[in-house]
Amino acid sequence: GQQVMQIPQYQHVQEGEDFTTYCNSSTTLSNIQWYKQRPGGHPVFLIQLVKSGEVKKQKRLTFQFGEAKKNSSLHITATQTTDVGTYFCAGNQDSNYQLIWGAGTKLIIKP
Amino acid sequence: DSGVTQTPKHLITATGQRVTLRCSPRSGDLSVYWYQQSLDQGLQFLIQYYNGEERAKGNILERFSAQQFPDLHSELNLSSLELGDSALYFCASSPHPSTGANVLTFGAGSRLTVL
Repeated sequence: GQQVMQIPQYQHVQEGEDFTTYCNSSTTLSNIQWYKQRPGGHPVFLIQLVKSGEVKKQKRLTFQFGEAKKNSSLHITATQTTDVGTYFCAGNQDSNYQLIWGAGTKLIIKP
Repeated sequence: DSGVTQTPKHLITATGQRVTLRCSPRSGDLSVYWYQQSLDQGLQFLIQYYNGEERAKGNILERFSAQQFPDLHSELNLSSLELGDSALYFCASSPHPSTGANVLTFGAGSRLTVL
């Protein structure tokens, strides 16, 4: 079936280190969205990418959509404690109207 | 406050019981989605409604049902509850009937504990 694989499941980093999460779809996506869920909170929309090869930045966060529109990444530069949480990608496919969610990557800052 | 209101915030009940979770979408949004999130797990899509009609079904158990009312609020009914149904149930809303440019706004969730 339609799947969006997201890796890694967890990433432990020291504060100030970089963080990256990757999403790969088995089929071409019309767009991909990224959400952040803080511990104890609810998912909050971060950004949507639509175009092939698109790159968008939000301060220390860089989002990319692959040329084939099958993969995406979120990179955080110099992580801070406020970045802690789980990052989800969710893709829309042309053939249906449902968001297909990745399993999420949990960012943990080492004390 | 996201604009999506869910009640109750917490609910503790026993196995075999039935509960109803309620969601009011953000003003102007016509679609409502229900998701289940077990402890430290991902988001499992249950069901979606658009303007009162069922639009899509995910991995929703037969013991669960939902509806969207004319005022656009939605209810998720969970019956014959089992221990494994303990989870966080999120409602989300969106302004469009799930096109390729749809963005979800989530409520704070209803945490269900089945003892």
